Amino acid sequence: DIQMTQSPSTLSASVGDRVTITCRASQSISSWLAWYQEKPGKAPKLLIYEASSLESGVPSRFSGSGSGTEFTLTISSLQPDDFATYYCQQYSSYWTFGQGTKVEIK
Amino acid sequence: QVQLQQSGPGLVKPSQTLSLTCAISGDSVSSKSAAWNWIRQSPSRGLEWLGRTYYRSKWSNDYAVSVKSRITINPDTSKNQFSLQLNSVTPEDTAVYFCARTGAGKGWFDPWGQGTLVTVSS
Repeated sequence: DIQMTQSPSTLSASVGDRVTITCRASQSISSWLAWYQEKPGKAPKLLIYEASSLESGVPSRFSGSGSGTEFTLTISSLQPDDFATYYCQQYSSYWTFGQGTKVEIK
Repeated sequence: QVQLQQSGPGLVKPSQTLSLTCAISGDSVSSKSAAWNWIRQSPSRGLEWLGRTYYRSKWSNDYAVSVKSRITINPDTSKNQFSLQLNSVTPEDTAVYFCARTGAGKGWFDPWGQGTLVTVSS
């Protein structure tokens, strides 16, 4: 199984901050990576696929980068609606998720 | 716009069978350009893909090794939906269960169903 490790587990930030979340794969997954945003009581929402492609309707302040084993999700200017938990997910070999990064208000 | 609507009981007794259904609108369970998945989420296991069903020239399934001996995912073409059955449940199977779509050759999940909290308890 391919293991996905996110860091940090929790991130405290303020509105307007630039936020970066890292996701590492236990082996190379090329660019077969997606990012999701999850809010309490809701299903995860797709933000990014193929490591850097922005899903339609997702604000441009979200961006993804990386390939191989190291990936990042960046929020360029954190907005009140962005306080949530973020997950990475690989689809190179079956499907596995990171453990999540909670972005909380500082 | 594809939408998924889940239904099923929220409480299951240990050793019994967990059964959930996911109704599809805006697409077909028989689509050759989609696959239909079940995923669960718990504090101890995080987000865990369980399995999928899909139709190309015939129906096929893939299941996670962790549940392979206990899981069945079936399409229902008459109702345009698919189902999850998980046998011999234990409290470890307590989780929020989601259905979700993947596109053919595409591995990201979108959309998702609303989620169903299933508690395994006597």
